[in-house]
Amino acid sequence: GAVVSQHPSRVICKSGTSVKIECRSLDFQATTMFWYRQFPKQSLMLMATSNEGSKATYEQGVEKDKFLINHASLTLSTLTVTSAHPEDSSFYICSARDNAGQAFFGQGTRLTVV
Amino acid sequence: DAKTTQPTSMDCAEGRAANLPCNHSTISGNEYVYWYRQIHSQGPQYIIHGLKNNETNEMASLIITEDRKSSTLILPHATLRDTAVYYCIVRVGSGNQGGKLIFGQGTELSVKP
Repeated sequence: GAVVSQHPSRVICKSGTSVKIECRSLDFQATTMFWYRQFPKQSLMLMATSNEGSKATYEQGVEKDKFLINHASLTLSTLTVTSAHPEDSSFYICSARDNAGQAFFGQGTRLTVV
Repeated sequence: DAKTTQPTSMDCAEGRAANLPCNHSTISGNEYVYWYRQIHSQGPQYIIHGLKNNETNEMASLIITEDRKSSTLILPHATLRDTAVYYCIVRVGSGNQGGKLIFGQGTELSVKP
């Protein structure tokens, strides 16, 4: 199946700094990508929908100025967590949708803010 | 998108069939049923999807009731590596303009030796 690569897989940062997470579709073009967050023992929560060449659409309650999303090409979307705080520590997962509408997920990024 | 209801957890003996139920009584005519699974600390993995006909692939079978209000995912010969959280999701459309995948709580399947 199609491959979606997320980088880094694990990151530790200091409180107040920003962290960028990359999501790449390796063997297909994705006009639409999705970003999720998952806290321990909970399900995935959709944060935003990223469309190539346009602004992301954020779900209710997700701060767009804190979670910056850029989808500058058909194979890359980035999520930047700005001014990270310990409560932002979570598992962040991206998903890319191919032209047939099939969604493929990255392996996730474990963010720890200390 | 319609809401789904799944049992919180299930056990299955290794080598036996695992049957995971899902209720989606408010499903609309243009909504598909998707199944994903998530092994601990990994991204979700696509399993199968369908509209109204039963579907089968190399991983599993999907049985959808005639009224489409419920479905069952069948893993024919469960192995220890099938231990995961299984998510049943209904989503508008299946093409590139389809709806978002909204995850519920899923079923935690434990396959035991």
